[in-house]
Amino acid sequence: IAGITQAPTSQILAAGRRMTLRCTQDMRHNAMYWYRQDLGLGLRLIHYSNTAGTTGKGEVPDGYSVSRANTDDFPLTLASAVPSQTSVYFCASSDRAGTTGELFFGEGSRLTVL
Amino acid sequence: GQNIDQPTEMTATEGAIVQINCTYQTSGFNGLFWYQQHAGEAPTFLSYNVLDGLEEKGRFSSFLSRSKGYSYLLLKELQMKDSASYLCAVRDSNYQLIWGAGTKLIIKP
Repeated sequence: IAGITQAPTSQILAAGRRMTLRCTQDMRHNAMYWYRQDLGLGLRLIHYSNTAGTTGKGEVPDGYSVSRANTDDFPLTLASAVPSQTSVYFCASSDRAGTTGELFFGEGSRLTVL
Repeated sequence: GQNIDQPTEMTATEGAIVQINCTYQTSGFNGLFWYQQHAGEAPTFLSYNVLDGLEEKGRFSSFLSRSKGYSYLLLKELQMKDSASYLCAVRDSNYQLIWGAGTKLIIKP
């Protein structure tokens, strides 16, 4: 069972370039999330999707966009990368109908914008 | 505003017991989570509390007091592999998770 797969694992990107981080889950979870994690800060929610076809803005959505065409995939796009978007990005999913609704995380994508 | 506070770093000795505290102020409460995150890895779920009291799961226990906005994670019989960051998160009234910055636990032999 793969769980959640993110790609790429690591990427160095020039400022101004467009970048899409991919996220796929095989658990049939209805909710999916994108977080960024920076040293000294808690996980910050960028965008989320409660079900296929719907998305919502999190705490730090500016400069990012998402789509949720189907249950399994939830890509995150940086339209024009800036150095402040250097971070580790985690995709996560949850079964909101489950007992606890805990999050399952992908292994992360480390992005460096120069 | 919403806020989760936990110590930045703690040090403990192998075989000992350590308690990691978490205090929170959130808009509503729909459960508190503890996650473990080893360096360079993804967070993994440890425990969930929605009612007051202690939840025990092997060497790990988690306590919640909703009236005090307080939780702790208790780790017993510490092992070197317990060296990690421990993240406290509260689910608010909008069903969104509010995360603390994490407590880095260092285990010494």
